[in-house]
Amino acid sequence: KNQVEQSPQSLIILEGKNCTLQCNYTVSPFSNLRWYKQDTGRGPVSLTIMTFSENTKSNGRYTATLDADTKQSSLHITASQLSDSASYICVVSARSGGSYIPTFGRGTSLIVHP
Amino acid sequence: NAGVTQTPKFQVLKTGQSMTLQCAQDMNHNSMYWYRQDPGMGLRLIYYSASEGTTDKGEVPNGYNVSRLNKREFSLRLESAAPSQTSVYFCASRGDSYNEQFFGPGTRLTVL
Repeated sequence: KNQVEQSPQSLIILEGKNCTLQCNYTVSPFSNLRWYKQDTGRGPVSLTIMTFSENTKSNGRYTATLDADTKQSSLHITASQLSDSASYICVVSARSGGSYIPTFGRGTSLIVHP
Repeated sequence: NAGVTQTPKFQVLKTGQSMTLQCAQDMNHNSMYWYRQDPGMGLRLIYYSASEGTTDKGEVPNGYNVSRLNKREFSLRLESAAPSQTSVYFCASRGDSYNEQFFGPGTRLTVL
């Protein structure tokens, strides 16, 4: 069964600090991995996507890494801001014929305090 | 572009009542999805539609039905609501770029 595990479950940091969120997966056949940000009361929004051949991808203060051998990904947030407070969801997709089948992690809840 | 829209935003039902959640997208996407999100759980796929005229079951389809009315619209129906269906429901559509899904704002459903 395809699974995506995220850690930590929740994290509290001070504004301006860095943090790293982790994602481990067992999804086959692997197609791509996305990190989504979900603000409270809103739908998730894609931050980054990584395919098998990519091991680093940046989007502003967000940097995602992928190690396809160990099936691990991380999301690093630099110089955190209050607006970074949200749930961060790792989604790994398997390719099945012409369809992509996503498996969602449970998310890491990040709170940034002033 | 409105993206993905959902109605209603909030709904309270009594056990046994029925209702339909509406979803529409204006991005000309072929694939559309319905998820539910419960506290402490990841998003779980209820049903999806790879293209107009086709629908398939996801991880948790029991108690739900769907209709892909046309390319734009994908509705989710609860025939006889149960308290276990209290959840936040998200509709999404998928673009062509490596499975990026665009989510609606969600419908918060409470079944008493």
